[in-house]
Amino acid sequence: DAGITQSPRYKITETGRQVTLMCHQTWSHSYMFWYRQDLGHGLRLIYYSAAADITDKGEVPDGYVVSRSKTENFPLTLESATRSQTSVYFCASSRQKGEKLFFGSGTQLSVL
Amino acid sequence: QQQVKQSPQSLIVQKGGISIINCAYENTAFDYFPWYQQFPGKGPALLIAIRPDVSEKKEGRFTISFNKSAKQFSLHIMDSQPGDSATYFCAAFWTGTASKLTFGTGTRLQVTL
Repeated sequence: DAGITQSPRYKITETGRQVTLMCHQTWSHSYMFWYRQDLGHGLRLIYYSAAADITDKGEVPDGYVVSRSKTENFPLTLESATRSQTSVYFCASSRQKGEKLFFGSGTQLSVL
Repeated sequence: QQQVKQSPQSLIVQKGGISIINCAYENTAFDYFPWYQQFPGKGPALLIAIRPDVSEKKEGRFTISFNKSAKQFSLHIMDSQPGDSATYFCAAFWTGTASKLTFGTGTRLQVTL
């Protein structure tokens, strides 16, 4: 039972580079989410998806792009990384709207 | 705009003591209030949740108290143990809208021996 997996676990990149964080879930959950976690801000929603090919903005979407061509995958792309995007990124999924969220172990991203 | 305000930011409790974390919300449409527990290097995991039709929910040593009129809810950890040392997030959700769970800023709990 793999659950929800994120890769890479750690990533260091430079300002201006494109970076893609991967998220894969094996439960066929309908909903998937991307959060960033920063000290003093808690968990803030970047983007979410209700199903394949359906995505919507969260609280802090600027500078990020998502896609969901398959139910099980929900990659997050930073088109041109900035230092303010240094953070820990968590992917999560839920079976249906309003149900328990299952989180991955996170990707720690540093933008130099 | 912080829709869910959480306090304290950090908390140190002795083993066997009671840990209390408080949250306040603004949007009266919220109708589901979960608490998530996060250990270092891990993602958050659902600990306990409550809906506003009850004032209290207890699961083992963990209790949520809910005050609808004050728009506040709190997590009580009875007989706190070193293994409870983690970061705790309260959250709020409106089931009538798109699926966006709003989190508090987190409380880092340390339980000392």
